[in-house]
Amino acid sequence: QKEVEQDPGPLSVPEGAIVSLNCTYSNSAFQYFMWYRQYSRKGPELLMYTYSSGNKEDGRFTAQVDKSSKYISLFIRDSQPSDSATYLCAMSIYGNEKLTFGTGTRLTIIP
Amino acid sequence: DGGITQSPKYLFRKEGQNVTLSCEQNLNHDAMYWYRQDPGQGLRLIYYSQIVNDFQKGDIAEGYSVSREKKESFPLTVTSAQKNPTAFYLCASRPGPTTYQETQYFGPGTRLLVL
Repeated sequence: QKEVEQDPGPLSVPEGAIVSLNCTYSNSAFQYFMWYRQYSRKGPELLMYTYSSGNKEDGRFTAQVDKSSKYISLFIRDSQPSDSATYLCAMSIYGNEKLTFGTGTRLTIIP
Repeated sequence: DGGITQSPKYLFRKEGQNVTLSCEQNLNHDAMYWYRQDPGQGLRLIYYSQIVNDFQKGDIAEGYSVSREKKESFPLTVTSAQKNPTAFYLCASRPGPTTYQETQYFGPGTRLLVL
């Protein structure tokens, strides 16, 4: 079993819809949680960064962490065609240099 | 502009050949990383370095080598011992251990293909 599980999709939704992307994990020591967006043939770019449990909002994006369930989510409101990309979750243990990544979910927003 | 640069964008390797991928950063970050990305497998860590002249193996180091002679540079050599080198290679960096930020920042990647 992988430490981090992420549905690879593909996921297609109409423009303007709310998108929900999720990851589950097995290692309860993870404390730092990140979401990266990766366009085709490009490097990942950091979208959201959260520590421990709770919600964090940045514009149309909301990251949610539920450590009791070992479950993290990224919500995208008012989705745009420019949001079409692969979304990677990543997490780490405090003081540990290594990030553990999910496999990524490919998202397409249909105009 | 501050950032991470990787070169070349595309690289072709012949059988039995060693090739070197370049990674440079001007963010003054202490830590640097190399990942390999294959379809459906996410990012896998090859090597990482926390300070100059020191580096550690990641999860899939076999067939690869690195050096860290300067803070801003972390080249990766794909040796002939790596039997399946075709992949997208990503370099990343992170602020040093004196910060509490775990986030890594990525370069644009190098796509390696075998002829």
